Amino acid sequence: DAGVIQSPRHEVTEMGQEVTLRCKPISGHDYLFWYRQTMMRGLELLIYFNNNVPIDDSGMPEDRFSAKMPNASFSTLKIQPSEPRDSAVYFCASSFNQWAGYTFGSGTRLTVV
Amino acid sequence: GQQVMQIPQYQHVQEGEDFTTYCNSSTTLSNIQWYKQRPGGHPVFLIQLVKSGEVKKQKRLTFQFGEAKKNSSLHITATQTTDVGTYFCAGPEGTGSARQLTFGSGTQLTVLP
Repeated sequence: DAGVIQSPRHEVTEMGQEVTLRCKPISGHDYLFWYRQTMMRGLELLIYFNNNVPIDDSGMPEDRFSAKMPNASFSTLKIQPSEPRDSAVYFCASSFNQWAGYTFGSGTRLTVV
Repeated sequence: GQQVMQIPQYQHVQEGEDFTTYCNSSTTLSNIQWYKQRPGGHPVFLIQLVKSGEVKKQKRLTFQFGEAKKNSSLHITATQTTDVGTYFCAGPEGTGSARQLTFGSGTQLTVLP
């Protein structure tokens, strides 16, 4: 298995632009998580899905953030409009069930200028 | 909600010295997981502990789960430069299928050659 695949690896965008981050989880994993990592706040859970259904989005910073999982093999995290404070590394992770360890993707480093 | 605290935040050791990081939870945990993140990389699952007082070893790494299941530790014997990175503990929050990990703030280990 290729693991959790995220794209793009790096994204530089101007303030106000729309940003879409993509994730392909490991086949057979029922859970998908979106995390954001910054020096100041560490690893923050933004939202997670179980069998493609959003379970908890309480970590989503505000209405500018949205996430979808249209099928078991694809998820997106969208920021519209983006702001400089959104600059961070965004990780997608998947797990087989609610007890198993997480497999993280390589992350997307987002810079909003 | 649940809080997972880790100490120390940073640790510099000379190669060959031992290293320990400690994890404390505000609530009793059903299990605890440990992850390692290399500089510029993504978190990688190391191990999960489930039983009270459990001790597991992976080569030079020893993981322990406290008797009260509210604390855990990771001990590395005779550190090597390959041990450099940030070590995170993570505890589950929620119930049933609505369960996600809360990550500690991590301990950043630097190994001086």
